[in-house]
Amino acid sequence: SQTIHQWPATLVQPVGSPLSLECTVEGTSNPNLYWYRQAAGRGLQLLFYSVGIGQISSEVPQNLSASRPQDRQFILSSKKLLLSDSGFYLCAWSVFSGNTIYFGEGSWLTVV
Amino acid sequence: RKEVEQDPGPFNVPEGATVAFNCTYSNSASQSFFWYRQDCRKEPKLLMSVYSSGNEDGRFTAQLNRASQYISLLIRDSKLSDSATYLCVVTTNTGNQFYFGTGTSLTVIP
Repeated sequence: SQTIHQWPATLVQPVGSPLSLECTVEGTSNPNLYWYRQAAGRGLQLLFYSVGIGQISSEVPQNLSASRPQDRQFILSSKKLLLSDSGFYLCAWSVFSGNTIYFGEGSWLTVV
Repeated sequence: RKEVEQDPGPFNVPEGATVAFNCTYSNSASQSFFWYRQDCRKEPKLLMSVYSSGNEDGRFTAQLNRASQYISLLIRDSKLSDSATYLCVVTTNTGNQFYFGTGTSLTVIP
């Protein structure tokens, strides 16, 4: 069966520090991968999605970036965090034909 | 205009009540529709897909109205454990993009 893991689960980072969130998917090949952010009391905002290795589409201009170095690995990064980057970050995957999206357990980021 | 819109609620209902949520979408070419459930501080999880003919899973019934571009979720005999936020999700015909509503909050009261 397919599983998705992301880490770390919780982190507190100072303003201006770097960020790296990692996500891996097991049990499937060539998945579509996504990074979403959910601010407190708000809906899911698509940040990036990827349909293949090295292929990244950015939905919202910001100080975040994403990379997909391997088929089932997706990384969200920032060189310098802002207070507004605080939120709940969710990695997700889907397969084109299945058209259902599955989420990792999420990473809570607090920028202080 | 947002791709998907939901009434945020909150809906506060007593145990045993029937409650219905609606969700509208703007893209008439949308292909697939889902309801997700999100518990507090947790990731969204698939509750059920929504098919053109409507579908039922126990106490939950989902329906799609393409002409009016809305989907609905009906929960019968509400349980305390149904308390959560319910998100409607719509995909494009490419299958790569998922559009989420902001969610409807449900609290079932003893």
